[in-house]
Amino acid sequence: QKEVEQDPGPLSVPEGAIVSLNCTYSNSAFQYFMWYRQYSRKGPELLMYTYSSGNKEDGRFTAQVDKSSKYISLFIRDSQPSDSATYLCAMVVGGSEKLVFGKGTKLTVNP
Amino acid sequence: DTAVSQTPKYLVTQMGNDKSIKCEQNLGHDTMYWYKQDSKKFLKIMFSYNNKELIINETVPNRFSPKSPDKAHLNLHINSLELGDSAVYFCASSPLGRGEETQYFGPGTRLLVL
Repeated sequence: QKEVEQDPGPLSVPEGAIVSLNCTYSNSAFQYFMWYRQYSRKGPELLMYTYSSGNKEDGRFTAQVDKSSKYISLFIRDSQPSDSATYLCAMVVGGSEKLVFGKGTKLTVNP
Repeated sequence: DTAVSQTPKYLVTQMGNDKSIKCEQNLGHDTMYWYKQDSKKFLKIMFSYNNKELIINETVPNRFSPKSPDKAHLNLHINSLELGDSAVYFCASSPLGRGEETQYFGPGTRLLVL
């Protein structure tokens, strides 16, 4: 079993839809959770960061962490064509230098 | 004013050749990384350097040798290239090298081995 599992999709939704992206993990020592967004032919860029169970909101984006279930989610409200990208979850054990990425989910938002 | 830059952007070469990829960051960060992203978009760390010192060395063939002449530069030299080395290689940097810090990625180098 991989440390971080993420459904690669692809996921295609109409503009304005609510998008839910998810990752599960097996290592209970993971303490910090991130979502990176990667546009086609570009490097990943940090979108959201959280370290505790619960929700964190930033504009149209909400990151959710459930440590008891080892499950994290990213919700995108009122999705826009400009949200079309690959979304990678990433997580790290506290005190470690090593970020472990999920495989990424490719999202297309159709106008 | 590019934060993390890589050269070249594209590299097409024959099996058995030796090639180098260069990375530079102007963010003043102490730590730099090399990642490999395969055709299925899986991003995996290869190496990290903190202030020119090797910190992370994942199970990467020893044909891959990173070199950090100073903390703003991290180059990757690959000997005897193989077909399986074809991938996108990303350089990244972070302020201190703590895993929870934001990592800033370069635009990637697309390597194709024929």
